[in-house]
Amino acid sequence: EAGVTQSPTHLIKTRGQQATLRCSPISGHTSVYWYQQALGLGLQFLLWYDEGEERNRGNFPPRFSGRQFPNYSSELNVNALELEDSALYLCASRADGQGASSEKLFFGSGTQLSVL
Amino acid sequence: GESVGLHLPTLSVQEGDNSIINCAYSNSASDYFIWYKQESGKGPQFIIDIRSNMDKRQGQRVTVLLNKTVKHLSLQIAATQPGDSAVYFCAESSGTYKYIFGTGTRLKVLA
Repeated sequence: EAGVTQSPTHLIKTRGQQATLRCSPISGHTSVYWYQQALGLGLQFLLWYDEGEERNRGNFPPRFSGRQFPNYSSELNVNALELEDSALYLCASRADGQGASSEKLFFGSGTQLSVL
Repeated sequence: GESVGLHLPTLSVQEGDNSIINCAYSNSASDYFIWYKQESGKGPQFIIDIRSNMDKRQGQRVTVLLNKTVKHLSLQIAATQPGDSAVYFCAESSGTYKYIFGTGTRLKVLA
């Protein structure tokens, strides 16, 4: 069974540009989470999508946005890139429903975004 | 490349010894906890989880202990191997599917 897949693995942009990061959850998972992991810091929560809706948003400016598609894959868009946006962006997915199995969060390998 | 924090607390352990990695969690209402392992350049890998109605859970070579009284979680790795070298961090959830992650501990296994 394929895990969470993210693309691209690396992305280099210049300040002011826009970046689009993609995530495919594990088959059968309906919830997708996005996290930012900057060097020297832990995982910072960005966005949570479930069944196509944004369920929760972290403390990030509006230029960080995203969406979830009908097939549960997701996109993270970062507009007007700033140097401090350079980080590893991680996507995680979780199964639907209640109970123990639906709480486990599984991560992809991330997209390393470098803003020059 | 190095994608995980450079200034994390580090635990150095001799190969073959047992490792104990600790985590203090913040929310007394948290009822679900996960330990992750993150190797350089990779995403976090699920290791083991535990619910708050348990105080111990064992996996293959790993044991998680939960002390709700002092809001403390630990991960014990038996017979530590070079492949265990990574950053380990815990996550907590309070049943709302919102997860809070610790900053992590770097485990270095010495040959």
